[in-house]
Amino acid sequence: ILNVEQSPQSLHVQEGDSTNFTCSFPSSNFYALHWYRWETAKSPEALFVMTLNGDEKKKGRISATLNTKEGYSYLYIKGSQPEDSATYLCAFWTGGFKTIFGAGTRLFVKA
Amino acid sequence: DVKVTQSSRYLVKRTGEKVFLECVQDMDHENMFWYRQDPGLGLRLIYFSYDVKMKEKGDIPEGYSVSREKKERFSLILESASTNQTSMYLCASSSGAGRTSTDTQYFGPGTRLTVL
Repeated sequence: ILNVEQSPQSLHVQEGDSTNFTCSFPSSNFYALHWYRWETAKSPEALFVMTLNGDEKKKGRISATLNTKEGYSYLYIKGSQPEDSATYLCAFWTGGFKTIFGAGTRLFVKA
Repeated sequence: DVKVTQSSRYLVKRTGEKVFLECVQDMDHENMFWYRQDPGLGLRLIYFSYDVKMKEKGDIPEGYSVSREKKERFSLILESASTNQTSMYLCASSSGAGRTSTDTQYFGPGTRLTVL
């Protein structure tokens, strides 16, 4: 059974703090890993799709890295702002139509 | 802008009722998906459709059925709602054949269903 784990489950930081969280996935038969941001009362939105070992992606203050050999991806947020408060989901594409989602990391940024 | 809409944000139904959740996308996407999200669990795939009138079971199809009569619309049906179907339901769509690793899914805002 393929499993995608995210840690921590939740995180409380102060405005201006930098933070990071982890997504662990099966290291064999890797195809792609997606990161999504899900703000309360809104739709989940795509942040990154990562396909190659060593990939680094950046969008403003948010960046992500990928290690397919050991089966993990890190998401970093530099200088967290209250508007970064959201649940961050990672999703492992298994081939075909199926994607396995992690349970998410819920980030709270206090002003 | 890509848009996926769901018919209701909140829904309260009684055990045994037939429930319809509607999803509409305006991007001319081939693929559409229904997920449910429960606390502590990742999104779990109920059903997906890769073309009009085509459907495939996901990981947890029991107690659900789907309908896709038009490309833009994908309906999830609970034939006889039960309390264990109380959950957040998310619809998504994607382009391409769904066999490309970089296909991004575009999500609706979700329907929070409570079955009493």
